[in-house]
Amino acid sequence: DSGVTQTPKHLITATGQRVTLRCSPRSGDLSVYWYQQSLDQGLQFLIQYYNGEERAKGNILERFSAQQFPDLHSELNLSSLELGDSALYFCASKYRSNTGELFFGEGSRLTVL
Amino acid sequence: GENVEQHPSTLSVQEGDSAVIKCTYSDSASNYFPWYKQELGKGPQLIIDIRSNVGEKKDQRIAVTLNKTAKHFSLHITETQPEDSAVYFCAASSRYSGGGADGLTFGKGTHLIIQP
Repeated sequence: DSGVTQTPKHLITATGQRVTLRCSPRSGDLSVYWYQQSLDQGLQFLIQYYNGEERAKGNILERFSAQQFPDLHSELNLSSLELGDSALYFCASKYRSNTGELFFGEGSRLTVL
Repeated sequence: GENVEQHPSTLSVQEGDSAVIKCTYSDSASNYFPWYKQELGKGPQLIIDIRSNVGEKKDQRIAVTLNKTAKHFSLHITETQPEDSAVYFCAASSRYSGGGADGLTFGKGTHLIIQP
């Protein structure tokens, strides 16, 4: 158990809809990262937050947004969903940026029909 | 930005044999090279990492080697066991890459299959 909690584990929705994925980082971890894992595409970095502030952006679509709250949990919002958004979405955390190991949650599997 | 290539995409070895997974990176400023293992239904988990001031690191049956000149690094697993079956990801990181996420860029993964 990495200590990172993601909900929901599975989500099935329709095209055009909006969903919110939630992540609770390990206790005390200030940095939260979101990754998308599609078939054969490896881990694509989406966005990073550090202590409530956006730190870096990767290949995140404009239809996607995220935030980190004062209690350090984070939410990833996906809107106007398309079939191609079907993927595993991982959250990871670590204590500070630029040091050491990323701890990943077990992921939220999104299926868009 | 950094680009990490990983080969092979699938590797099947007999139990007890060795497995080698190779990665190359493009950014000469990269200085941290972790390897993550992802078991079915789980998130990736760090198994070993190496920094650019070291050429080799071992931890029991796994080892990582780094060739900074050639910009490649490899994961070696000896005496493979069924529980080694998983997807393995290499990554490269440069604090100064500007690519985000502390510059951590992942390869596309290798599906390692251990044949009994």
